Amino acid sequence: EAQVTQNPRYLITVTGKKLTVTCSQNMNHEYMSWYRQDPGLGLRQIYYSMNVEVTDKGDVPEGYKVSRKEKRNFPLILESPSPNQTSLYFCASSLGPQGGSYEQYFGPGTRLTVT
Amino acid sequence: GESVGLHLPTLSVQEGDNSIINCAYSNSASDYFIWYKQESGKGPQFIIDIRSNMDKRQGQRVTVLLNKTVKHLSLQIAATQPGDSAVYFCAEGSSGTYKYIFGTGTRLKVLA
Repeated sequence: EAQVTQNPRYLITVTGKKLTVTCSQNMNHEYMSWYRQDPGLGLRQIYYSMNVEVTDKGDVPEGYKVSRKEKRNFPLILESPSPNQTSLYFCASSLGPQGGSYEQYFGPGTRLTVT
Repeated sequence: GESVGLHLPTLSVQEGDNSIINCAYSNSASDYFIWYKQESGKGPQFIIDIRSNMDKRQGQRVTVLLNKTVKHLSLQIAATQPGDSAVYFCAEGSSGTYKYIFGTGTRLKVLA
């Protein structure tokens, strides 16, 4: 089954404790992206990657890091989480404009709470 | 996704009627536009997209209209069904930057 998986689905942590949210896709997509979703603000893009070892900032990259060492994986790293990073996070993948498709497939989401 | 729906504009339609959800986009340089559906507790799901060189595109029970003059996008759903109840987002993108900007969403409620 074609899908995007994220882990963990729920996470409660404390300020300053480094964490990683994993994202994996099995569709051989070149494009992957991370979003956060907050009430009243919609989805905002954090980082995206056009291919292995190629990443770029979205609209809200502060406090986040990403890496793309393999095509299928795109982890989101919070080196020192703060309460304002409490949010619902989505990973997405796509063939990408370079593949002729803008359709993004989204994962199920990770609800992060930072206390 | 249970907190996603707070503060969203809501469109209520009777089952079987047509629904029209509107979206204003911000960037004149955007050259493709996408509609997504998000059900409670799930990630967004692609519905339909349209390139800037088109003004209309039809899918199964859905039609997207693009008016570049006023930077407006609409999603029409024919014969709305209870399963269409969800939050709908428009998104704009620029093929030169690979970045996406999402709207804040509209909640569609289908009344039986």
